[in-house]
Amino acid sequence: LAKTTQPISMDSYEGQEVNITCSHNNIATNDYITWYQQFPSQGPRFIIQGYKTKVTNEVASLFIPADRKSSTLSLPRVSLSDTAVYYCLVGYNAGNNRKLIWGLGTSLAVNP
Amino acid sequence: DTAVSQTPKYLVTQMGNDKSIKCEQNLGHDTMYWYKQDSKKFLKIMFSYNNKELIINETVPNRFSPKSPDKAHLNLHINSLELGDSAVYFCASSHSVGEQFFGPGTRLTVL
Repeated sequence: LAKTTQPISMDSYEGQEVNITCSHNNIATNDYITWYQQFPSQGPRFIIQGYKTKVTNEVASLFIPADRKSSTLSLPRVSLSDTAVYYCLVGYNAGNNRKLIWGLGTSLAVNP
Repeated sequence: DTAVSQTPKYLVTQMGNDKSIKCEQNLGHDTMYWYKQDSKKFLKIMFSYNNKELIINETVPNRFSPKSPDKAHLNLHINSLELGDSAVYFCASSHSVGEQFFGPGTRLTVL
């Protein structure tokens, strides 16, 4: 049974790089890996998505090793406003056969 | 312009009542979802519709019934509300494998 596992919480300081790793041992060939950020009283918001190797956008990087059994969300130089819950999502969404496996979320606290 | 909207934002009701939450997206997406997030912040997918067709139906009590009148709307009707139904319910939409856009959530409190 597919499952995603991520740390429950992490602490960091302003200006540091934060890496959050998600394990997804049973990832299937056509699964994508997506990360979302959620602030209190808001819906989750898309951060980044990848399939393999490395993806980078203006807010984060996503590292995926060759076996794709894990992925690491990297937030460069975090600030207080990055304090949020980060969710890892593994799945595919095509045709009539779809599945979406959400992690339980990592609560990141950025301290001054 | 709000991309994904939900009404109401707050819903307080008594046990045993029937209530509905409405969701609309103006992004032209073909897939819509309903999620339940409990007090521990676990995000649980309930249903997903693609072009008005139910494609994901997780283990959810049959008191919960989604209805999709068209591609832009996915409403959630809940019968015989129970205390354990208290949670925040999120609607979302996407283009197939693409990013999901979430609504602001509906906080349901069952007394």
